[in-house]
Amino acid sequence: QVQLQQSGAELVKPGSSVKISCKASGYTFTSYDMHWIKQQPGNGLEWIGWIYPGNGNTKYNQKFNGKATLTADKSSSTAYMQLSSLTSEDSAVYFCALGAGIAYWGQGTLVTVSS
Amino acid sequence: DIQMTQSPSLLSASVGDRVTINCKASQNINKYLNWYQQKLGEAPKLLIYNTNNLQTGIPSRFSGSGSGTDYTLTISSLQPEDFGTYFCFQHNSWPLTFGSGTKLEIK
Repeated sequence: QVQLQQSGAELVKPGSSVKISCKASGYTFTSYDMHWIKQQPGNGLEWIGWIYPGNGNTKYNQKFNGKATLTADKSSSTAYMQLSSLTSEDSAVYFCALGAGIAYWGQGTLVTVSS
Repeated sequence: DIQMTQSPSLLSASVGDRVTINCKASQNINKYLNWYQQKLGEAPKLLIYNTNNLQTGIPSRFSGSGSGTDYTLTISSLQPEDFGTYFCFQHNSWPLTFGSGTKLEIK
């Protein structure tokens, strides 16, 4: 069955960067879109962007241009999201999620930005 | 960006009740509308995709309808395990956008 296993919680300092991983299994990694989504307490869900691992094509929500960078490693079936120049506004749970209709989700990675 | 206005934001209902949650898009989304349920500390779970298609494994008491800009999720007979927050989501146009959520409480 489809599984998306995300990396663990991160505590990072303001101004730094963090890279979150999402290891996929149970399907052909290169054949389906991988999305990334942000959730802050009480603030609902925001779509960050999308990568197609088959060719590395990406699409970003303009709001996250310059903040998020999406990559994928076909050899390990793992998608990555790097967040840069972190501020307290980036403290959130980040999800990877699969497919054009976003049917399957990872368990989420909590990122806390604090000095 | 397409705005998704979801209502109500809070809903309290009893077991056995028929419950409806609404989502209004700021423009036509051509039925590319999904519904998710999220429980505290968990990832959202897909219930309905493309307006009215029941995801595998989801009970048939959940159903969806709508077209154009107006969409509805219906739970025909509320069960205790149906508590949680429900989100609509449009995947017709970039950037993809979510509704603000409906918190469903069981009386």
